[in-house]
Amino acid sequence: GENVEQHPSTLSVQEGDSAVIKCTYSDSASNYFPWYKQELGKRPQLIIDIRSNVGEKKDQRIAVTLNKTAKHFSLHITETQPEDSAVYFCAAEWGDYKLSFGAGTTVTVRA
Amino acid sequence: DVKVTQSSRYLVKRTGEKVFLECVQDMDHENMFWYRQDPGLGLRLIYFSYDVKMKEKGDIPEGYSVSREKKERFSLILESASTNQTSMYLCASSPGSVSGANVLTFGAGSRLTVL
Repeated sequence: GENVEQHPSTLSVQEGDSAVIKCTYSDSASNYFPWYKQELGKRPQLIIDIRSNVGEKKDQRIAVTLNKTAKHFSLHITETQPEDSAVYFCAAEWGDYKLSFGAGTTVTVRA
Repeated sequence: DVKVTQSSRYLVKRTGEKVFLECVQDMDHENMFWYRQDPGLGLRLIYFSYDVKMKEKGDIPEGYSVSREKKERFSLILESASTNQTSMYLCASSPGSVSGANVLTFGAGSRLTVL
């Protein structure tokens, strides 16, 4: 499958600051890059995704950027709030419909 | 309004036992997946099914098999459980050949401990 690397593994930010998580992937044929959020004890849920024909996508306080040439994509969370504390996973599609996930980033928002 | 249901939240089995993990979705999705979640390793794909009786290996299929006899049900089988299969197992489904085809809906997970 696809090799997806995600950094950092943990991230602690002050409430109101921004958080950035970065991922790289190996297969240049990948065209779909979602981000999932998993709150403690809950199932992962899609928060935003981007396809390769778009360089950036925003949804309120979250945004994702994609650089296909460099094979990396990033999640940006602005004005962080306590409810943003969770584990975030990036993923890249390979084959038909299959997703390979990064190892995850544990984000802690300090009040 | 749970849409992907995993039959067991917690299981404790002994080494060598046969283990069945069941997953049912009620969204008429074509695709179903079994992932394994371990700290520091993220979610790793074990098997994928795109249709009834059809399956494809994921990244870590060794020691596992799957069964999809009906569209809504996808089972993960550990023929002879080993301690290194102690993990959280997540089932997921996605629509398939329609818009939003890649969006995964996950079940709540089955935490398996093999002693």
